[in-house]
Amino acid sequence: QVQLQESGPGLVKPSQTLSLTCTVSGGSISSGDYYWSWIRQPPGKGLEWIGYIYYSGSTYYNPSLKSRVTISVDTSKNQFSLKLSSVTAADTAVYYCARDRQPGGYSEMDVWGQGTTVTVSS
Amino acid sequence: DIQMTQSPSTLSASVGDRVTITCRASQSISSWLAWYQQKPGKAPKLLIYKASSLESGVPSRFSGSGSGTEFTLTISSLQPDDFATYYCQQYNSYWRTFGQGTKVEIK
Repeated sequence: QVQLQESGPGLVKPSQTLSLTCTVSGGSISSGDYYWSWIRQPPGKGLEWIGYIYYSGSTYYNPSLKSRVTISVDTSKNQFSLKLSSVTAADTAVYYCARDRQPGGYSEMDVWGQGTTVTVSS
Repeated sequence: DIQMTQSPSTLSASVGDRVTITCRASQSISSWLAWYQQKPGKAPKLLIYKASSLESGVPSRFSGSGSGTEFTLTISSLQPDDFATYYCQQYNSYWRTFGQGTKVEIK
């Protein structure tokens, strides 16, 4: 059974870069059967999809965040990562990684990590 | 982007009630819609995909319907474990978007 686990700093200073990693266990990112997504949820608010990546490295980002977002994959470690640059307090959120059940973009997200809280503050 | 609007934002109901949540898309999304349940401090859980397909392991009291721009999530008989927030999400376009959520509270 596939499991996802987010990791990374819980506190980031304004204007710096937020970096998170999602480790996949129980399955291989390299199988090519899935896309891998990042989603975030500000405190007390709804969900916002950030972007996804395929094992080949192809990505698609939320256009509202595209200028600041980079998602990458490390198949040797079975991990994918999120970098969000020039963060502000508005980027404070719980960040989730998730699996798209189908490759190709038209897919629901069927497996989620537990989420990690990132606070942007000096 | 495709805007998703859920109604109501909050719903007060009792155990055993039939509950319906509506999600409207700003343009047609065919049947590319999912419903998720989220409890406080937990990750969302997939309930329904492709508008009406029940995810494996999800109780049959949950059902989804609709296509195009209007969708509903129905809980046929509300159980204590169902008090949570529910989100719809479209995946008709590469830019996925969620509804703002519907909180189901105890009446």
